[in-house]
Amino acid sequence: DGGITQSPKYLFRKEGQNVTLSCEQNLNHDAMYWYRQDPGQGLRLIYYSQIVNDFQKGDIAEGYSVSREKKESFPLTVTSAQKNPTAFYLCASSIGQRTDTQYFGPGTRLTVL
Amino acid sequence: GENVEQHPSTLSVQEGDSAVIKCTYSDSASNYFPWYKQELGKGPQLIIDIRSNVGEKKDQRIAVTLNKTAKHFSLHITETQPEDSAVYFCAAKDNYGQNFVFGPGTRLSVLP
Repeated sequence: DGGITQSPKYLFRKEGQNVTLSCEQNLNHDAMYWYRQDPGQGLRLIYYSQIVNDFQKGDIAEGYSVSREKKESFPLTVTSAQKNPTAFYLCASSIGQRTDTQYFGPGTRLTVL
Repeated sequence: GENVEQHPSTLSVQEGDSAVIKCTYSDSASNYFPWYKQELGKGPQLIIDIRSNVGEKKDQRIAVTLNKTAKHFSLHITETQPEDSAVYFCAAKDNYGQNFVFGPGTRLSVLP
């Protein structure tokens, strides 16, 4: 099956800890994205990557970091600097960045205790 | 930059009725407009999209219309079913922009 997988589905973290969310795709897409979704709100872009070893900040990058060492993988680290990390995190990918449709993974719900 | 507004924020319809959700955008350069359906606890799924060289697109019970002059596009769902209940998001993008701008979402409830 082709698609985007995110793990884990639920994640709990203590305050002050860093945590890494996984995103993998086997669609051979060049571009990958991370979004944050808060209850009753739309999607806000955290980071995006057009190609391997390259990524750019989105609208709300503070307190987050990413890497893109492989085409298939785009992990997101939520650092202790992120003041309000409890949210639903969505990973997406597209063939390229310009005008191409984005396909989303199932999401990871992060809760900070 | 682009700004996308979406109305209504919540919509309840009786099963079998039609539902319409409208989005407006601000950047006249936007030329690609997808609609996503998100069920509770899941990621958004693309249900239909339209490009600026087309005024309307249909896929079974779902249709999208685009009015470039007025800068708005709408999602139409006919013969609604309980499984259509979800949150629907619109988005807009242009050839030069980096990424999509999403609307805030519409929670659709189809009452049996």
